[in-house]
Amino acid sequence: EPEVTQTPSHQVTQMGQEVILRCVPISNHLYFYWYRQILGQKVEFLVSFYNNEISEKSEIFDDQFSVERPDGSNFTLKIRSTKLEDSAMYFCASTVLTGQESQYFGPGTRLLVL
Amino acid sequence: GQQVMQIPQYQHVQEGEDFTTYCNSSTTLSNIQWYKQRPGGHPVFLIQLVKSGEVKKQKRLTFQFGEAKKNSSLHITATQTTDVGTYFCAGLRFGNEKLTFGTGTRLTIIP
Repeated sequence: EPEVTQTPSHQVTQMGQEVILRCVPISNHLYFYWYRQILGQKVEFLVSFYNNEISEKSEIFDDQFSVERPDGSNFTLKIRSTKLEDSAMYFCASTVLTGQESQYFGPGTRLLVL
Repeated sequence: GQQVMQIPQYQHVQEGEDFTTYCNSSTTLSNIQWYKQRPGGHPVFLIQLVKSGEVKKQKRLTFQFGEAKKNSSLHITATQTTDVGTYFCAGLRFGNEKLTFGTGTRLTIIP
């Protein structure tokens, strides 16, 4: 069964450094998402992406964050200057067609900012 | 902004007992989805409810969407150790792609 994949599984970085989290959505999916989950808390929506542009973003997704689909398969989340409070699990998700379908989540990248 | 709350936050049950988690949205939803997250894992889609008053069953799991499309529930009959995890509801508003997750209910099973 097709799966969303994410790399790396774990990332440790120093505060102020830039990180890029990578995702490969399921191949025939058109809508892509990033979520984050601070340890022990709920899953929070960051951004949705369709047709090579952001379709919606949350208050969390400020100027420090950016997303990109650099080629036909990868979908990336960049955090320009990491802060301690960016430490969380970051999940990528994708859906088949519309934004109203079930979402398939990747295994996540655990980011630790020191 | 939209808020989705779930109760209880934690539930410990003896294996074989039933379990229910309740989900309430501050706004009317176009549909609601349920996800299960095992410890250390990622959310896995369980089901989507779209119609007002809809009830769907998956083996021992029964999902319900309220008449006003603002609340939902998940009921598990005769829990098993494999049911351990956190159950999240997640709501979508009309014309909106932002899936708002509930606060989750963490289920632990006492063998």
